[in-house]
Amino acid sequence: EVQLVQSGAEVKKPGESLKISCKGSGYSFTSYWIGWVRQMPGKGLEWMGIIYPGDSDTRYSPSFQGQVTISADKSISTAYLQWSSLKASDTAMYYCARPPKSWGQGTLVTVSS
Amino acid sequence: DIQMTQSPSSLSASVGDRVTITCQASQDISNYLNWYQQKPGKAPKLLIYDASNLETGVPSRFSGSGSGTDFTFTISSLQPEDIATYYCQQYDNLPPLFTFGPGTKVDIK
Repeated sequence: EVQLVQSGAEVKKPGESLKISCKGSGYSFTSYWIGWVRQMPGKGLEWMGIIYPGDSDTRYSPSFQGQVTISADKSISTAYLQWSSLKASDTAMYYCARPPKSWGQGTLVTVSS
Repeated sequence: DIQMTQSPSSLSASVGDRVTITCQASQDISNYLNWYQQKPGKAPKLLIYDASNLETGVPSRFSGSGSGTDFTFTISSLQPEDIATYYCQQYDNLPPLFTFGPGTKVDIK
């Protein structure tokens, strides 16, 4: 069974850095793309970007290029989404997904002073 | 970039009603379209892939159709457990790019 398990909720201050994770199991982690999706409070789903862990080929949605970094460590079957300087507007639920069917449970990121 | 629109943005219907949601792409996407259901506090769930294929385990009251730029998602007989927001999503495989529609919130009247 394919499973994506995400790291727990985070509360951060503006300007802080953050890296959240998504661990895949039940399949060959290096053979499938994994993406990240943002959902701001009360809003819709936004595709952020995607990585192929086999060779770390990464593609970003134009809206998120330069705002976040997506990476993966294939030795531990884990993908990451990171910010170098968080803003209040980064407050959202973040999902990882192995398109089209498998999703993580979501990581709530709250950025507040 | 391909833009996706959905209508209506919300609807209220009675149990047993037929519910139809439309999704339009800004350019031809062939049948590269999926439909998702999202309930509050939960991750999205794939219902329909490649425009018209029912995902395994999904009730047959859900269906999808269309190709090119115009797509339709139908619930043939609305059930209380279908209360959710529904999203269309277009995708490209090479390179992998995805875009969600803005969503349609479905309520029981």
